[in-house]
Amino acid sequence: ILNVEQSPQSLHVQEGDSTNFTCSFPSSNFYALHWYRWETAKSPEALFVMTLNGDEKKKGRISATLNTKEGYSYLYIKGSQPEDSATYLCAFTNSGYALNFGKGTSLLVTP
Amino acid sequence: DAGVIQSPRHEVTEMGQEVTLRCKPISGHNSLFWYRQTMMRGLELLIYFNNNVPIDDSGMPEDRFSAKMPNASFSTLKIQPSEPRDSAVYFCATLPLAGGYNEQFFGPGTRLTVL
Repeated sequence: ILNVEQSPQSLHVQEGDSTNFTCSFPSSNFYALHWYRWETAKSPEALFVMTLNGDEKKKGRISATLNTKEGYSYLYIKGSQPEDSATYLCAFTNSGYALNFGKGTSLLVTP
Repeated sequence: DAGVIQSPRHEVTEMGQEVTLRCKPISGHNSLFWYRQTMMRGLELLIYFNNNVPIDDSGMPEDRFSAKMPNASFSTLKIQPSEPRDSAVYFCATLPLAGGYNEQFFGPGTRLTVL
């Protein structure tokens, strides 16, 4: 089992605030790091698949960075909106197939 | 494409009963994964298949759990006999043939309650 840690476990912000979460993973045998967004009663949906050290990816107000040498990734949300409320999962793989998920950061954005 | 299809969406059963969960992958996706989501352990991989062949079943908790993929369009996860601690949401996810740097596509999950 490959240990993937996410922090904080939960977060409550006001609409318009910017926020960020952390994912740490083993720094050896890195293949890829995935970020998923999981809304209650829905399926997890992929946000980013990150593969190269120094990668920075962006989708709208959400962006992510990757440091494979030290084993961490940050997810940023700029100007949080209530519809951003969800659990954000990161997953590490050293094979390209089996994903090892963290327990997620639960984000609540209130108006 | 309808995406990954799972059935049933909800299952309530009594301890000792056999439970079968079903998954239909996205057409053309050759890798299929079964995950279990619990509050205590989060989302954990149980088993995955490439081209219908089980590759890694090290996450299967006990002999009571078994999974099959008889063809490219269907997989089952069976629990026999079921126990209350098996209560969880079970997700099926699939991946295109290329695997590697592609995202996995998750089904809606089956919420299992064992009384």
